[in-house]
Amino acid sequence: DQQVKQNSPSLSVQEGRISILNCDYTNSMFDYFLWYKKYPAEGPTFLISISSIKDKNEDGRFTVFLNKSAKHLSLHIVPSQPGDSAVYFCAASFYSGGGADGLTFGKGTHLIIQP
Amino acid sequence: EADIYQTPRYLVIGTGKKITLECSQTMGHDKMYWYQQDPGMELHLIHYSYGVNSTEKGDLSSESTVSRIRTEHFPLTLESARPSHTSQYLCASSETGAWTQYFGPGTRLLVL
Repeated sequence: DQQVKQNSPSLSVQEGRISILNCDYTNSMFDYFLWYKKYPAEGPTFLISISSIKDKNEDGRFTVFLNKSAKHLSLHIVPSQPGDSAVYFCAASFYSGGGADGLTFGKGTHLIIQP
Repeated sequence: EADIYQTPRYLVIGTGKKITLECSQTMGHDKMYWYQQDPGMELHLIHYSYGVNSTEKGDLSSESTVSRIRTEHFPLTLESARPSHTSQYLCASSETGAWTQYFGPGTRLLVL
């Protein structure tokens, strides 16, 4: 059973507009969430994260919103740029005493920025 | 900037061969991980380590084995490769107590 779901396999957005990527989770024990960006033939690159005690975290053009009651988070990219075209993975973890163990990933959303 | 390396980047090998995928990090991180990813699918954790001489199995069952003799090195071994092992293998590391994991570039394995 998939605990982290990204229901949109792909998303196409015009350059300069806002990109919104969505992620839902089912495990209420998750208390930390991360977004990774992945280009073809490369490993995932950390983008931004949020703790469950917050509902928003911002870093430059990237903002992550967390709605714990809905078990939903979203990544906003404003403005979208051609270099943002990549696969975006949502990941989640929970504290297990020694710090995070493995991350639980969604299947990813392929973001395409059109000129 | 994360410094984590994987070799080889690509490997095509015949059934029954023994292979070792290398992973090294220069950040002094105690925790290291191996994930497996098939195209269009999520990454699945197959092994992790808290530090030297520590290895644990992840959420996804795997026929591979790992070792952690040095902090910076976390190799993955398949004793007898099969076509079902064809996948991408990603290594990652993190500081103890930190949530963010840093990934290497991955090894794409094709078993014929």
